[in-house]
Amino acid sequence: DIQMTQSPSSLSASVGDRVTITCQASQDIRKYLNWYQQKPGKAPKVLIYDASNLETGVPSRFSGSGSGTHFTFTISSLQPEDVATYYCQQYDHLPPRLTFGGGTKVDIK
Amino acid sequence: EVQLVQSGAEVIKPGESLKISCKGSGYSFTNYWIGWVRQMPGKGLEWMGLIYPSDSDTRYSPSFQGQVTISADKSITTAYLQLSSLKASDTAIYYCARLRRGWWNFDYWGQGTLVTVSS
Repeated sequence: DIQMTQSPSSLSASVGDRVTITCQASQDIRKYLNWYQQKPGKAPKVLIYDASNLETGVPSRFSGSGSGTHFTFTISSLQPEDVATYYCQQYDHLPPRLTFGGGTKVDIK
Repeated sequence: EVQLVQSGAEVIKPGESLKISCKGSGYSFTNYWIGWVRQMPGKGLEWMGLIYPSDSDTRYSPSFQGQVTISADKSITTAYLQLSSLKASDTAIYYCARLRRGWWNFDYWGQGTLVTVSS
């Protein structure tokens, strides 16, 4: 099974800071990676699909990049409403098998 | 409007079984996989399995194979997650979610069902 290693597990940054989260796959997953945001007490929400595509309605300060085994999720200018836990999720095979990364909790310094 | 509405919170004794429901509306229920995701208290998301309601084709995560049963009744647009021989460590929020074809992400989620296993 493919393992997803996400880092860091938590971070604290100031409003306006650039925040970067990485996700490493245990084998090549091409571009088959999604990113979610989960706010406390809420269900997750998908932000990025296929590594770098922004979901409709998601602010442009969120972005993703990468392919193969190394992926990056960036918030270009952290806002108070971005306090949440962020997860990567890969898929392989059809119908897919899915794996989530361990999550990164982001809060405001 | 696409909606997934799950059954309510449950408090269950160890050793008992439970079936959680997830009713879909606002879209063609038989044309999308439905997945189940577990979130233990203070922990991350774990994919449990998928079902395709059109033919009940079911796939399980190796971590949950044999531990849970996923089913669906397309006549009432409802998917189910059966949990058996529950232990305290099964205490978690269980989410259902619709899997979007092509990009294979969960685009719509239920509100989650909190299951508490306690004597």
